[in-house]
Amino acid sequence: GAGVSQSPRYKVAKRGQDVALRCDPISGHVSLFWYQQALGQGPEFLTYFQNEAQLDKSGLPSDRFFAERPEGSVSTLKIQRTQQEDSAVYLCASSLGGTSSNQPQHFGDGTRLSIL
Amino acid sequence: DAKTTQPTSMDCAEGRAANLPCNHSTISGNEYVYWYRQIHSQGPQYIIHGLKNNETNEMASLIITEDRKSSTLILPHATLRDTAVYYCIVKDWLGSSNTGKLIFGQGTTLQVKP
Repeated sequence: GAGVSQSPRYKVAKRGQDVALRCDPISGHVSLFWYQQALGQGPEFLTYFQNEAQLDKSGLPSDRFFAERPEGSVSTLKIQRTQQEDSAVYLCASSLGGTSSNQPQHFGDGTRLSIL
Repeated sequence: DAKTTQPTSMDCAEGRAANLPCNHSTISGNEYVYWYRQIHSQGPQYIIHGLKNNETNEMASLIITEDRKSSTLILPHATLRDTAVYYCIVKDWLGSSNTGKLIFGQGTTLQVKP
């Protein structure tokens, strides 16, 4: 069956440019998470949506990072005025239930962002 | 910070069982134990999860001690394709302490050798 799909798979941008990363969750999944994974490290939480509501954005590293999920399905993570430290793999995950659920999260293969 | 500790690396011979330990001594009653693995250049893959009873699925078995302070993931017949980083994570299913985010540690790098 269709899993979580992320695009683009790779993105190269110059420092200062804006980028947009897309996530298509599994159909019908209520929860959507974004994580950032630096080289050699485990993923780190960025933000969480339950349907269209952004319930937790405590992991966003700065106000240059913005995420949205306007119709409760597809989500976009936008990074403005990119900097070299933004280089990482950005992972999206979705799960069937909301916050009070033991349903597992299912991950996409991520977008590898390189800032030159 | 992650609430689990795992060995940094382990080796396993192909065809043998791989037993990956995890300590979670501060686990609370509302927290499940989840296992994920991450193969190079891919996203984390869900393997199995449990609360207090042992669990088995087509990928693996999860053994949780009676006091729930530790667990072991068992891959019964490891293959070369099981070489990956394995993450043990505890998560509050009620969502009372967070919004269900996963907190990853460093994981265990399992190397399956021919």
